[in-house]
Amino acid sequence: AQSVTQLDSHVSVSEGTPVLLRCNYSSSYSPSLFWYVQHPNKGLQLLLKYTSAATLVKGINGFEAEFKKSETSFHLTKPSAHMSDAAEYFCVVSDKGNKLVFGAGTILRVKS
Amino acid sequence: EPEVTQTPSHQVTQMGQEVILRCVPISNHLYFYWYRQILGQKVEFLVSFYNNEISEKSEIFDDQFSVERPDGSNFTLKIRSTKLEDSAMYFCASRGPLSHFGNGTRLTVT
Repeated sequence: AQSVTQLDSHVSVSEGTPVLLRCNYSSSYSPSLFWYVQHPNKGLQLLLKYTSAATLVKGINGFEAEFKKSETSFHLTKPSAHMSDAAEYFCVVSDKGNKLVFGAGTILRVKS
Repeated sequence: EPEVTQTPSHQVTQMGQEVILRCVPISNHLYFYWYRQILGQKVEFLVSFYNNEISEKSEIFDDQFSVERPDGSNFTLKIRSTKLEDSAMYFCASRGPLSHFGNGTRLTVT
């Protein structure tokens, strides 16, 4: 079965500094991987997806993620954090049948 | 941009009561899902629905749960006799190439 592990439950950065949210996956076949973001009292918004094309995936709001098969990782990065980036971020893998399997989430705090 | 809409945004019900959570998926999508997130826990898959039938369901989705697409637009999740542990945020999703989620219904069972 597919699974994802988000290595940090909370990450705190200062505004203008880089963001790194870590995710490792486990999959018995070539996975489809996603990052979703959830702002308070909002739904789940897709940031970006990896589906076996380019290993470096660019998403919305300046986020990107790199698929590294050798490390089974799909870490999310952003060069410069903005206050509006404060939210919960979910690393997600698509299972057979296309249901989504979520990580536990990482809460990103951005300090001014 | 088309979006998935869920109603109500909040629902409070007493234990043992039936609730129906409603979703309007994106109109040209064919695959529909319900997920839930208990406070402080992971988002969990409940059920997927395609071609007017359940295509997959999780262990959570027991006989107390049912889904229906009563017309061409709505997709509903019914919980027949709610329990305290059903309190959670319930998300509907529909899938074209990608899964799009609604804003969720926060269900509180007292």
